[in-house]
Amino acid sequence: AQSVTQLDSQVPVFEEAPVELRCNYSSSVSVYLFWYVQYPNQGLQLLLKYLSGSTLVKGINGFEAEFNKSQTSFHLRKPSVHISDTAEYFCAVSEGGGNTDKLIFGTGTRLQVFP
Amino acid sequence: KAGVTQTPRYLIKTRGQQVTLSCSPISGHRSVSWYQQTPGQGLQFLFEYFSETQRNKGNFPGRFSGRQFSNSRSEMNVSTLELGDSALYLCASSRAGGPNSPLHFGNGTRLTVT
Repeated sequence: AQSVTQLDSQVPVFEEAPVELRCNYSSSVSVYLFWYVQYPNQGLQLLLKYLSGSTLVKGINGFEAEFNKSQTSFHLRKPSVHISDTAEYFCAVSEGGGNTDKLIFGTGTRLQVFP
Repeated sequence: KAGVTQTPRYLIKTRGQQVTLSCSPISGHRSVSWYQQTPGQGLQFLFEYFSETQRNKGNFPGRFSGRQFSNSRSEMNVSTLELGDSALYLCASSRAGGPNSPLHFGNGTRLTVT
């Protein structure tokens, strides 16, 4: 069975500092990996995704993530955060090869950016 | 282009009642999926519909049901409400499902069961 672990429930950081949000997954089959962001009182917005190919994936708002198969990780990074990046971030996995929107989500990491 | 629209935005119900939530996908999208979000359990997949057929189902009791209409609009129904059903219910749509078809989420319906 697939599962996703987000190692940090909260990450406080000062504005313009770098940040890394950690995500590990487990699956017995090939997977697709995603990062979503959720702002207060809103739905989820896709930041980036890994399907295949280059292990370094660039997304919107300056975020990037690196797929590491040997460590089963898909950590999200941003070199310099802004106040507006304050939100909840979710890592998700779906089973590779299927035409499905069924995603398994991690429990989320709340990023709090301080001025 | 309008996004995914969920109605109502907020809902308060009493234990034992039933509730119907509505989701209008983005025009041209044929796949609609539903998720439940709670502080304790996080985001959990409920079910997915494509062309009026249920394509996938999560691990929820039979009190949770859904359907999709010919215009791709979807509804989910929860019968015999329990306090634990209080949650944000998110609907998402995509053109055909799958990772190459971007998934767009609505802003959710917040259900409170008292």
